[in-house]
Formats: sequence, structure tokens, C-alpha cells
Amino acid sequence: AQKVTQAQTEISVVEKEDVTLDCVYETRDTTYYLFWYKQPPSGELVFLIRRNSFDEQNEISGRYSWNFQKSTSSFNFTITASQVVDSAVYFCALTNDYKLSFGAGTTVTVRA
Amino acid sequence: DADVTQTPRNRITKTGKRIMLECSQTKGHDRMYWYRQDPGLGLRLIYYSFDVKDINKGEISDGYSVSRQAQAKFSLSLESAIPNQTALYFCATSMAGQSYNEQFFGPGTRLTVL
Repeated sequence: AQKVTQAQTEISVVEKEDVTLDCVYETRDTTYYLFWYKQPPSGELVFLIRRNSFDEQNEISGRYSWNFQKSTSSFNFTITASQVVDSAVYFCALTNDYKLSFGAGTTVTVRA
Repeated sequence: DADVTQTPRNRITKTGKRIMLECSQTKGHDRMYWYRQDPGLGLRLIYYSFDVKDINKGEISDGYSVSRQAQAKFSLSLESAIPNQTALYFCATSMAGQSYNEQFFGPGTRLTVL
């Protein structure tokens, strides 16, 4: 069985603050993939990143960065210098061969 | 044009009515999925299909049925809708044989059952 836990239900920050979203996962597979998706108020799911279990390098893409630590089964996501447009629900997900298991999501509200 | 489309985008119906949600894709993917999203629960898998002749139940299939009419089309039916099926429904597709199983999502259908 596999499971994804996003313990933070809601986070509220003021614009330009950094915000870190936690994601902890459980799986018995040695090969797996982790994803982050963004769901803005309009409702669609926007793919942000994919990371495989053999690549523990951190990644930065603009104001977004991801920290993958296999030792603690965590794949955390940081938004640097947050903006109002970052307000959304963010989902962490884990996949084996066919199934995507999603966390419950973290709602991020960025206030101007 | 969008690669994965869902119709309708919004639907309000009454308890006991039969409802069909449709999904079409132009990505040429073999695998298709239906998920529902509820606040605080993330997305949960209802049904999935690896090809036209293959249909499988997901974790919450009770009260739902599906039909894979063609490689590009995968429909979800609620035979007799009930209020706790009010949710946001997503269709997704992925390529067969791809180990990382990247799924591409439709825009979602917001269903309200009164």
C-alpha cells in the first residue's frame, strides 16, 4: 500500500514571505515517482514537477524549489518570495505502475 | 485545443437521476482514469482502464460505472445519483509502458446532487 500525507491543511502568508509545504510518503516499492500539482481557484490541475526515487538532487525552478530526502520519505516544496498568484491548493502525489496516490492537499493563501 | 476534455463542466442534478460524465482525449494514450476530489481528501481513484477491453475498479467504485467506448473516450456514469456524490470529477490519461506514469488531467466536472 502507498500513502501520502500532507499534514498542513492551510497556510496563510503575506506576499514576499517564503512558504514550505511538507509531504511525507509511504511505499514498499524501491522505484517510484513523486509529483507536485497546483490547483488554482479555477480548478484545473497544473503539473509542477516529477522526481524519481533514485534522484535525490534538489531542484529549483524560478521561485519554486523541491527538497527530496529519501531517508525521511519526504518531498517538500518551497515557494520563495510568494506572490498572490501562488494562492492555490497544492497536492503531492506518489505513483507506482498505474496508480497515483494523492495527499489531501495544502491550501496556500498569499495576502497582498 | 485541450488534449483532455470533459463534458459537461458543471452539472446540477437531483437525487435518483442517472448522470453521465464524458471524457475525450487526443493524446493517443491507452490508459484513462476517473478521479473524484472532495475537500480535505485529495483525489481518489474511481475506475481506470488500460485499454478498450480493460476496466478496473479503483478505491471508491461503489455507485459508479464506466464505459470505454474507444481508445479516446471514457465515460463515467452515476446510475442513481445521491448527494454525497457531489464532488469535482477529473478524467486523466497516461501512456502505457511509461514507468513514471505521468497523468494528464482534464479540466474537471463539478457535479452537484441535490
